[in-house]
This record gives sequence, structure tokens and C-alpha cells, in this order.
Amino acid sequence: AQKVTQAQTEISVVEKEDVTLDCVYETRDTTYYLFWYKQPPSGELVFLIRRNSFDEQNEISGRYSWNFQKSTSSFNFTITASQVVDSAVYFCALSGTNQAGTALIFGKGTTLSVSS
Amino acid sequence: GAVVSQHPSRVICKSGTSVKIECRSLDFQATTMFWYRQFPKQSLMLMATSNEGSKATYEQGVEKDKFLINHASLTLSTLTVTSAHPEDSSFYICSARQDGVGPSYEQYFGPGTRLTVT
Repeated sequence: AQKVTQAQTEISVVEKEDVTLDCVYETRDTTYYLFWYKQPPSGELVFLIRRNSFDEQNEISGRYSWNFQKSTSSFNFTITASQVVDSAVYFCALSGTNQAGTALIFGKGTTLSVSS
Repeated sequence: GAVVSQHPSRVICKSGTSVKIECRSLDFQATTMFWYRQFPKQSLMLMATSNEGSKATYEQGVEKDKFLINHASLTLSTLTVTSAHPEDSSFYICSARQDGVGPSYEQYFGPGTRLTVT
């Protein structure tokens, strides 16, 4: 079965702190894709990154970085020097194989609160 | 490009009534669209896969007679919640897969519709 686990339900940090959001996944597929989305209070999902299973290189985009490790089935997300605007719910997702196609399987999300 | 809209963004209806939610791909064609539901402080759960010109495929536990899906064109899918109950109150999000572009997992999300049943 395919599954995404985000063990951290809520994280609170003070501005400028670094914070890492954990994501562990389960799949039997050899080819799969992993995603991170941000969901601010408005509810709209904001796409952050997509990574395929054959590319284990870490990626950095500004204050955001991602660490993909197949050996531990993890795809962790780090925000460096956090800001108040980073406060949101963050979802890790896996491309799944449902009855009719490849909808995404989401983790339960991590609520990040950044205070000033 | 690749914009998906939903209408309405918020809706309040009374128990027993039906409400229709539209999902449109504004600048691309989408044979396949997905409908997700998100309860407060919970994750997104796939409800059904909508395919243009054919019946939708529902996930286990989702009542097809209660959540009617119609995908009548390559840019529009609708979700109708029939005989709504307060427990149907939720955030409904659609996504659309652009035809002929990118791998099969690629999908673009709409902004969501918040349904409140009183």
C-alpha cells in the first residue's frame, strides 16, 4: 500500500530559526514522484517542488531545501531563516496508483507557525 | 498558464438541498480531473476521478449517488452534493491533468470550495 507519513503535526518556531519538516513514504513502485505543497489559511494549495524517484540530488531554492533519501524513504523539507509568511500547513504527497489513474496521496500535513 | 478555477469559492446551504461545484481548466484541456475533500485540520482525500465522456471512478467509501460527478466537456467537471447534511461540510478541491503534456501524475489544483451545510 502507498502511504505518506508526516509525523510532526505542529511546529512552532521564532523568526530566523531553521526548521525541518519530515516526510516518510511507502510505495512498491520503482518509479514514483514526491511533492511538497504549502497551504496558507486561504486554502489554496501552492506547489513547492516535485522530485522523481531516480533523482536523489538535494535541491535548494532560496530559503527552501529538500533532502531526498531513498534508503530511508524520506523526503524532508527545510526552511532556512524562517519568516512569519512561512506560517502555513505543509503537505508532502506521493503520486499514487488509484483505480483510475495517478491522483496524489497526501500526508496529514504539518502546521508551521512562525512568530516574530 | 495551467490555471484551474472553482466556483463558487464558498457556499452555504440548508440540509436536504443540493449544491453544485464547478471545476474549470481555463487555458488547457483536461480529459481527467480529480476531486478531493479536506475536513478541517485534516489532509486531502481523493474522492473520485472524473473522465470526460465517461462515468467517474469513485474511491472506496465515497457514495456515488450522493456525490454526482459530471465531466461533460474537456474543460469542465462538476460535483453535485445531493441531499446535503452537516457532515458534508468540508473544503472541496479539484485538480486537472493537462492532456498530452507531461507525465501522468502532473495535475493543477483549483483554489477550493468551502461548503457549509446548516
